[in-house]
Amino acid sequence: DTEVTQTPKHLVMGMTNKKSLKCEQHMGHRAMYWYKQKAKKPPELMFVYSYEKLSINESVPSRFSPECPNSSLLNLHLHALQPEDSALYLCASSQADSRGNTIYFGEGSWLTVV
Amino acid sequence: AQTVTQSQPEMSVQEAETVTLSCTYDTSENNYYLFWYKQPPSRQMILVIRQEAYKQQNATENRFSVNFQKAAKSFSLKISDSQLGDTAMYFCAFMKYGGSQGNLIFGKGTKLSVKP
Repeated sequence: DTEVTQTPKHLVMGMTNKKSLKCEQHMGHRAMYWYKQKAKKPPELMFVYSYEKLSINESVPSRFSPECPNSSLLNLHLHALQPEDSALYLCASSQADSRGNTIYFGEGSWLTVV
Repeated sequence: AQTVTQSQPEMSVQEAETVTLSCTYDTSENNYYLFWYKQPPSRQMILVIRQEAYKQQNATENRFSVNFQKAAKSFSLKISDSQLGDTAMYFCAFMKYGGSQGNLIFGKGTKLSVKP
C-alpha cells in the first residue's frame, strides 16, 4: 500500500473549469513534489516544496498553481488548462535533507482536459 | 548535466526465467544514487531497488538485483524467476548526492512483458 495518497484518481475538466488535485503523505517527509507524465514518457518534475516552501518551479505555466498547506498535504490547483495538459500527475515525497535520497510516489491522478 | 540511457525500449521474458534490463548514465559527480522504478499498467511508480554509488556491493531485493559498474557507468537490473506481475515499464533513474530536491533524472524506460 502506498503511503502517498492522491485524489481524485481520475478527473475530466473543461478548459474553463477550476479544479484541484490533492496529495497527502504519512511518512513524515518534509519535501513534496509534483511530476507530470505524458503517455509513454518518463515523469517530468514540475514543483518541489521543501519545509512547506516552494523551492523549485520548473518553469511551469501559471495555470498550474501549487499549494502546500502543511507538511503532509500538497495541492495542485488547475485553471484554464489546455488539452495538451492532459496527463498523469504524480505526487511524491522524500526526506528534505541529505537523507532525502529516495523519492516515493503516489498512484497518480489522471487528468483529461476537454 | 546528467543523462540516463535505456537502450531497450521493449523486452519480453517467459514466466520463471531471468531477464536483464540495461541502463547507462553519464555524470561528472562522484557521489550519487541510482534507482530502478517499476510502473505497471496501474501507473503507480514503485521503487524496485536503490544503489548508492559509494557502495561497491551490488544491491539486491528478493528477486531483483543490480550489476553496478561505476567505472563503466552502467547499472543493469536482473529479475530472476520472472512473474506475470513483473509486467511493467521499468525506469532507471539518477540522483545527485546531497538532498533530493526532486532531482531524479529518468531514462526513457523499458517496457517488460512477462509471458505465461
